[in-house]
Order: sequence, then C-alpha cells, then structure tokens
Amino acid sequence: GQNIDQPTEMTATEGAIVQINCTYQTSGFNGLFWYQQHAGEAPTFLSYNVLDGLEEKGRFSSFLSRSKGYSYLLLKELQMKDSASYLCAVRDLLAAGNKLTFGGGTRVLVKP
Amino acid sequence: DAGVTQSPTHLIKTRGQQVTLRCSPKSGHDTVSWYQQALGQGPQFIFQYYEEEERQRGNFPDRFSGHQFPNYSSELNVNALLLGDSALYLCASSLPRGYEQYFGPGTRLTVT
Repeated sequence: GQNIDQPTEMTATEGAIVQINCTYQTSGFNGLFWYQQHAGEAPTFLSYNVLDGLEEKGRFSSFLSRSKGYSYLLLKELQMKDSASYLCAVRDLLAAGNKLTFGGGTRVLVKP
Repeated sequence: DAGVTQSPTHLIKTRGQQVTLRCSPKSGHDTVSWYQQALGQGPQFIFQYYEEEERQRGNFPDRFSGHQFPNYSSELNVNALLLGDSALYLCASSLPRGYEQYFGPGTRLTVT
C-alpha cells in the first residue's frame, strides 16, 4: 500500500516563498506529481518528478529524494491567485495502469 | 481542443437510489480513471478503464461500477447510495503510457 503525508494548511504573504513538504511510503514508486486545485475546481497538473533532484518551472519548483521518500513543492513570488490546495500524488510502479494515490492536500492561503 | 468533460455538474439523490455519472476524455486519450474526493480531502482512486475493461481498482465496494464505451467515454454507476457517498467525483484521462492525467471539472453528488 501507499501512505502520503503533507501539512494540512499553510499561510504566507504575497511576494514571499512557501515550501510544501510531502513524505511518502510506497511498495513501488513510479513518479511523484504535484497538482493545484482551486476551490470547487478540477486539479491541474503542476509537476512530475521520477528522478532525484529539482525540476524548475517558472515560479514553481519541485524536488524529489527517492531514498528519503520525500518531495517538496516550492512556490516563489507568491501571488493572491496561488491561494489553493496543493496535492501530492504518487504513481505505483507495480500497477498495470497509472493509478495515482493522493495525499490529503495542503491548503495554502496567500495574504496581502 | 476540448478537455475532459463531465456531466452532470451537480446532482442530488436520496439514500438507496442509484446514480450514473458520465465522462468524455480529452481528445486522443483512451484511458479513463475515476476518483472520489470528499470535502477537504485528496482524491481517492476508484477504478481505471482501458480498452473497455477495468484495468485497476481501488478500495471501493461493488456498489461502484463502471463502463467504457468504444469512443473511450466512460460512466460511473453507484448503487444503493449512502450519505457517505456525497463527494466530488472526478474523471481523469490519459494516454496508456502517459504520466500526466488531465482532470475534468467533476460532478458534485449530494446524497440526502
């Protein structure tokens, strides 16, 4: 089975940086995803890490350490529109399909 | 290019009833996954369909069943509805070996 933990809620100021941590335990690992979900909307893809290291995409970066079962999503130059839930998800290596197991999500509130 | 579409947007049912939710995948995608998202939680994997067959299933009872049609669209059926089935039901489509899943806007089901 799989177990994914991330903080429930974080608050940050506009223009600042926030780091959302995610730890996972899995019987097989085939990639870690970060999704953004605004209230009442569908999750939208932010990043994918399958190898160790940092992936940078504009204001968002994602890091993975497979040996530690650890990832983080870094949001820089925070904007009000970044207020949303951020979901960490792991894909199972052993599964035939590409089933995702999600954490509970981290709700980020950006204050002016 | 149309993304993933779902219908209906909202639905209210009473306990014991049956419901059918529909999903059309993104153009070119042939794999459809269904997720249940309770309020304030991350999505939970229900099952995945590929080539009109259920390829993978999560930890959901047999009351949850599905179908995929030759045009890759899919239905989720839930029988004998319980209050706990109230949730946002998300459909996601992907290519069979693709890593990214594209989510639809979801169907908000309320069971009273």
